Amino acid sequence: GNSVTQMEGPVTLSEEAFLTINCTYTATGYPSLFWYVQYPGEGLQLLLKATKADDKGSNKGFEATYRKETTSFHLEKGSVQVSDSAVYFCALLNNAGNMLTFGGGTRLMVKP
Amino acid sequence: NAGVTQTPKFQVLKTGQSMTLQCAQDMNHEYMSWYRQDPGMGLRLIHYSVGAGITDQGEVPNGYNVSRSTTEDFPLRLLSAAPSQTSVYFCASSYSGTGVGNTIYFGEGSWLTVV
Repeated sequence: GNSVTQMEGPVTLSEEAFLTINCTYTATGYPSLFWYVQYPGEGLQLLLKATKADDKGSNKGFEATYRKETTSFHLEKGSVQVSDSAVYFCALLNNAGNMLTFGGGTRLMVKP
Repeated sequence: NAGVTQTPKFQVLKTGQSMTLQCAQDMNHEYMSWYRQDPGMGLRLIHYSVGAGITDQGEVPNGYNVSRSTTEDFPLRLLSAAPSQTSVYFCASSYSGTGVGNTIYFGEGSWLTVV
């Protein structure tokens, strides 16, 4: 079956530091890939997505590139802010388009 | 426009009790679903519905029932609560599914503890 593996957190960074959160996946075919963000006390929000190999999704300074050869979709940001503190989830969409499979989530804490 | 509304936000149950988690959306979305979130495991799909009168099982459906009598509401029923069902539950909706072109809206979550 499909699976998503993320680096375990928490990840603690100082403001303006560079962020990488690793995500790798196992799936048949060519799934679409997503990053969701969950701020404290809230539901999940879509951060960015990519639908095919070599696509780069980007939003709010975050980027992730769909790497089919390494089955990865790592999330990066050049300069994090305190307001980026949240839990980040990597997810893939199955071929039927009716189920998202999520990774375990990575908590990011940014200190001033 | 309230989006996706879940109630209750917090609940403690005794083993064997039954209860219903409510979910309502006011966006006229056809697709609704329930996920549970457990530490280190991300979200897992319990049940979903593609429209009123239609439901289907997700990845972890055992111990849960759902129904979809209206477009707006998608309640999740725990028939006989077990400690293994202690989790955070999220309801989600979208216009027509989880496909790439759809934006999925999540509720704020319901924290359930079974003792």
